[in-house]
Amino acid sequence: AQKITQTQPGMFVQEKEAVTLDCTYDTSDQSYGLFWYKQPSSGEMIFLIYQGSYDEQNATEGRYSLNFQKARKSANLVISASQLGDSAMYFCAMREATGNQFYFGTGTSLTVIP
Amino acid sequence: KAGVTQTPRYLIKTRGQQVTLSCSPISGHRSVSWYQQTPGQGLQFLFEYFSETQRNKGNFPGRFSGRQFSNSRSEMNVSTLELGDSALYLCASSLGPPGASSYEQYFGPGTRLTVT
Repeated sequence: AQKITQTQPGMFVQEKEAVTLDCTYDTSDQSYGLFWYKQPSSGEMIFLIYQGSYDEQNATEGRYSLNFQKARKSANLVISASQLGDSAMYFCAMREATGNQFYFGTGTSLTVIP
Repeated sequence: KAGVTQTPRYLIKTRGQQVTLSCSPISGHRSVSWYQQTPGQGLQFLFEYFSETQRNKGNFPGRFSGRQFSNSRSEMNVSTLELGDSALYLCASSLGPPGASSYEQYFGPGTRLTVT
């Protein structure tokens, strides 16, 4: 089974609107971390936000927030007030505390329309 | 604090050759991971090193190998290159060791390898 599933290959959003990028995960660990990364066309992966499995509040970092629903095993990224510079690939990732590697989803390509 | 650096940034090799890619992690980071990224396969984990020891390995053939030095710098080597090895190779460093699920990875700019 896939550890991380991103079901939206591509998304479009109007500038200044909010957008939600979906991510579901699969783990039997109680302790794990969830991460979102942004990859612009330049290729470099940029860390955006982290959510720990024991965190009761949703993580926020500026315009980024992570909608964490533990029971549903989802960790959706919400970008508020989209900007043209937000156009990029977005990857959801997970790391389990049992010492294994980061698992990445297949990514969602976000295009912000002026 | 300087970010993760990778050298070279671009590389063109021919089939059958070997290649060595280098990665310098963020100062203080002891965990280094390598990934291969292609349009068809996405981001695939190659291996992770911590304190000079390989801690995790992805599902790649033995032609792909790596090592980590005492200063945490890491190299990966691909021998007998194949056309399918053309990809962006990303290195990432992390403060925490394997098992520390709260530590994010910071990525370098990548090495784009083209095999002809």
